Amino acid sequence: NAGVTQTPKFQVLKTGQSMTLQCAQDMNHEYMSWYRQDPGMGLRLIHYSVGAGITDQGEVPNGYNVSRSTTEDFPLRLLSAAPSQTSVYFCASRLSGTGGREQYFGPGTRLTVT
Amino acid sequence: AQTVTQSQPEMSVQEAETVTLSCTYDTSESDYYLFWYKQPPSRQMILVIRQEAYKQQNATENRFSVNFQKAAKSFSLKISDSQLGDAAMYFCAYRLNYGGSQGNLIFGKGTKLSVKP
Repeated sequence: NAGVTQTPKFQVLKTGQSMTLQCAQDMNHEYMSWYRQDPGMGLRLIHYSVGAGITDQGEVPNGYNVSRSTTEDFPLRLLSAAPSQTSVYFCASRLSGTGGREQYFGPGTRLTVT
Repeated sequence: AQTVTQSQPEMSVQEAETVTLSCTYDTSESDYYLFWYKQPPSRQMILVIRQEAYKQQNATENRFSVNFQKAAKSFSLKISDSQLGDAAMYFCAYRLNYGGSQGNLIFGKGTKLSVKP
């Protein structure tokens, strides 16, 4: 198993550009989520999905869009990048329900918006 | 709303000594999980230890153990025989044992642990 994979590892964008952060998992996990990590703030939830076709907002969803067309993939779209979106982004997945005790994280994407 | 508080932004420990990282949380629920994650400079989030709230026994994983005080809503991490490789950010996290939005991980702001040789 590859676990949770994220691409790219690093990205630099100019203000106003759009891009998609890719996330995939091969563990057949129903639940997937995106977090951002900023210095001194811990990890904050952006969006999450409890299964294909079902997504919902987390704590900091503004400026981001997600979709879940398959169980494996959960891309995060930045619609019009802003310097405030400079951060490290983590994708995570787990089984749903009481069986999903452990959440698995991808290696992260460091995004810089200039 | 549930919150997780780590009151120590930075901690330092001598190699081979013991250190305790503090975490408190606020919830009105009774069925939940608590976690400690380690984040080394590589950025990878590594699960250190997990505690189910219904279990009275404190979880242990080799040199890592927790002191889970459910009534006090406290969940501290003890690292024994500290090693240079333990230097990292440590995050405390909470999750309801539940589906939907309430099943999301809530993180504290982290404690940066330094280990002195």
